[in-house]
Amino acid sequence: DTAVSQTPKYLVTQMGNDKSIKCEQNLGHDTMYWYKQDSKKFLKIMFSYNNKELIINETVPNRFSPKSPDKAHLNLHINSLELGDSAVYFCASSPLGQGYYTQYFGPGTRLTVL
Amino acid sequence: SQQGEEDPQALSIQEGENATMNCSYKTSINNLQWYRQNSGRGLVHLILIRSNEREKHSGRLRVTLDTSKKSSSLLITASRAADTASYFCATVRGAGGYQKVTFGIGTKLQVIP
Repeated sequence: DTAVSQTPKYLVTQMGNDKSIKCEQNLGHDTMYWYKQDSKKFLKIMFSYNNKELIINETVPNRFSPKSPDKAHLNLHINSLELGDSAVYFCASSPLGQGYYTQYFGPGTRLTVL
Repeated sequence: SQQGEEDPQALSIQEGENATMNCSYKTSINNLQWYRQNSGRGLVHLILIRSNEREKHSGRLRVTLDTSKKSSSLLITASRAADTASYFCATVRGAGGYQKVTFGIGTKLQVIP
C-alpha cells in the first residue's frame, strides 16, 4: 500500500495558469510538508503542517497556498504559474512525538511551466 | 553556505569499494538523518543519528557524527551497482512544536559494475 501518494505525477501547463497538486498519507502521521526540488537537486522546504495547522512557511511567493482539509491530506495550490516554478514538488509526512521527524516522501510531481 | 552541505557532490567508484560521503552543518541540531534518492523517485530514509550519539550502523551503512566539528559522514561498505543514487543529509533542529528539517545539496554516487 502506498504510504504517501501524490497526484498528478506529471503536470505540464502554460504560464499564468492555476494548478493544484494533491497529497495524501495513510501513515497516521501528524505532520506533513511540501518541498521543492530544483534542477540542481536542491531540496527546499516550503511548508509544514501539524494537525492541519501551518507551522512553517518558508519564503515562498504567496501564489503558493497549502490547504489541509484533514490530517491525512495536504494539497498545494499554485496561482499564476511562472517559468521558475518548474521543478519537482515532493510531499512528505512525519510522526509527531518521537522527536526525530523522520520524513516519509511521496514519489514527487514534476511540474513543467511552458 | 547552507545548512547541511555534502561533499563530494559527485562520487564514482567500482563495485565492491567503499563510498564515503560527508555532511557539514552550521547550527546545533537535535539529530541528523541520511536519505537516498533514486533517479526520478522520492527520498527514502536510511538512518538517523541523535546529537548525543557518535556512531551508528545499519547493515552496510555506517554513520558518524562529530558535533564539535558540526559534521557527519556516511560510509557505504562493499558497494553495489544498486547503491547508485543521490544521498542527502538532513539536519533537524528546534524545540517544542517547531522543528525544522533542512536538507543538504546531496552527493550523487555512481557505482560501476
